[in-house]
Amino acid sequence: KAGVTQTPRYLIKTRGQQVTLSCSPISGHRSVSWYQQTPGQGLQFLFEYFSETQRNKGNFPGRFSGRQFSNSRSEMNVSTLELGDSALYLCASSLWSYTEAFFGQGTRLTVV
Amino acid sequence: GESVGLHLPTLSVQEGDNSIINCAYSNSASDYFIWYKQESGKGPQFIIDIRSNMDKRQGQRVTVLLNKTVKHLSLQIAATQPGDSAVYFCAENYNQGGKLIFGQGTELSVKP
Repeated sequence: KAGVTQTPRYLIKTRGQQVTLSCSPISGHRSVSWYQQTPGQGLQFLFEYFSETQRNKGNFPGRFSGRQFSNSRSEMNVSTLELGDSALYLCASSLWSYTEAFFGQGTRLTVV
Repeated sequence: GESVGLHLPTLSVQEGDNSIINCAYSNSASDYFIWYKQESGKGPQFIIDIRSNMDKRQGQRVTVLLNKTVKHLSLQIAATQPGDSAVYFCAENYNQGGKLIFGQGTELSVKP
């Protein structure tokens, strides 16, 4: 069974640009969550999607958004990038909420 | 604010010894907990989970203990191996769907 796939693995963007990250969950999983990982803040929850609906949102500005498609694949978008957005962005999928969440390898975003 | 804290940021053990990683959680309403292992350059890897109606759960070489009275979680690794060297995170979920609140992490170093 294939794991959670995130693309791209690495990304370098310039301040002010926008970026879209992609996540393909484990087949059959309907819940997809996104997290930001930085050395200073650790792992922080961004948002969760379930059956194409956002069910939970963390404490991030509106520049961070996401969506989920009917096949459960999810994308997150960050607009007007800031230097502080440099981080590892992780996607996790689970069959339902409240069940084991499995993470992808992450997308390393560097904003210069 | 929300927090799941780890008592020890670093832990060094001898190969073959048992390891114990501790975690304190702040929300008494939390009812689902997960331990993750993260190796350098990789996403967090699911190790074991436990629900609040249990005090103990065992996996392969790992045991998670939950003490709801003092809001404490621990991960025990038996016969620690060099391959166990990684950062370990505990995470809690409290009635917020797929939102996990992560601790700061403990770095486990296994000496041969």
